[in-house]
Amino acid sequence: KAGVTQTPRYLIKTRGQQVTLSCSPISGHRSVSWYQQTPGQGLQFLFEYFSETQRNKGNFPGRFSGRQFSNSRSEMNVSTLELGDSALYLCASSLQRGLYEQYFGPGTRLTVT
Amino acid sequence: GNSVTQMEGPVTLSEEAFLTINCTYTATGYPSLFWYVQYPGEGLQLLLKATKADDKGSNKGFEATYRKETTSFHLEKGSVQVSDSAVYFCALDGHYTGANSKLTFGKGITLSVRP
Repeated sequence: KAGVTQTPRYLIKTRGQQVTLSCSPISGHRSVSWYQQTPGQGLQFLFEYFSETQRNKGNFPGRFSGRQFSNSRSEMNVSTLELGDSALYLCASSLQRGLYEQYFGPGTRLTVT
Repeated sequence: GNSVTQMEGPVTLSEEAFLTINCTYTATGYPSLFWYVQYPGEGLQLLLKATKADDKGSNKGFEATYRKETTSFHLEKGSVQVSDSAVYFCALDGHYTGANSKLTFGKGITLSVRP
């Protein structure tokens, strides 16, 4: 069974631009969560989607948004990029919400210049 | 809110040495606890988990026991290998504490094992 895939793997953007990252969960998984990883803040939860609805959101500004499609694939969008948005963005999928293991993708490395 | 505290790193050990990485947590209710490992250039891989007090998670020679009385989930391995060199994250899922289904991570610790 294929794992969680994320595209693109690397991205370079300029301040003020916007970016869209994509995540395809493991087949059959319905819950998708996003995390931001930076050297300073570590791993921080962004949001969780289940059945095309955002179920939980971390403490990030409104510039960070996401959505989930009927096939469980998810995208996250960051508008008006700032230098501080440079990070590794990780997507994780799980079978259902709750006490189910989260499987992580390799991440998208975003660099904002 | 929920929080996870890991011991400061990095940690450097010789091959076949004993490993302990400390992890303590703060949460109300009964969280599930996890150890994740991240190899260079990769995402996170679940190493082991425990879902209730006194449970022991184990995988690939690593073990951790869910100690509710000390709110700890320390990771141990009897004999480390060079291939164990990676970053290790302790995490909790606060689903049953009312925090919904999301992982709270510790800051991670880098383990380097020299031959």
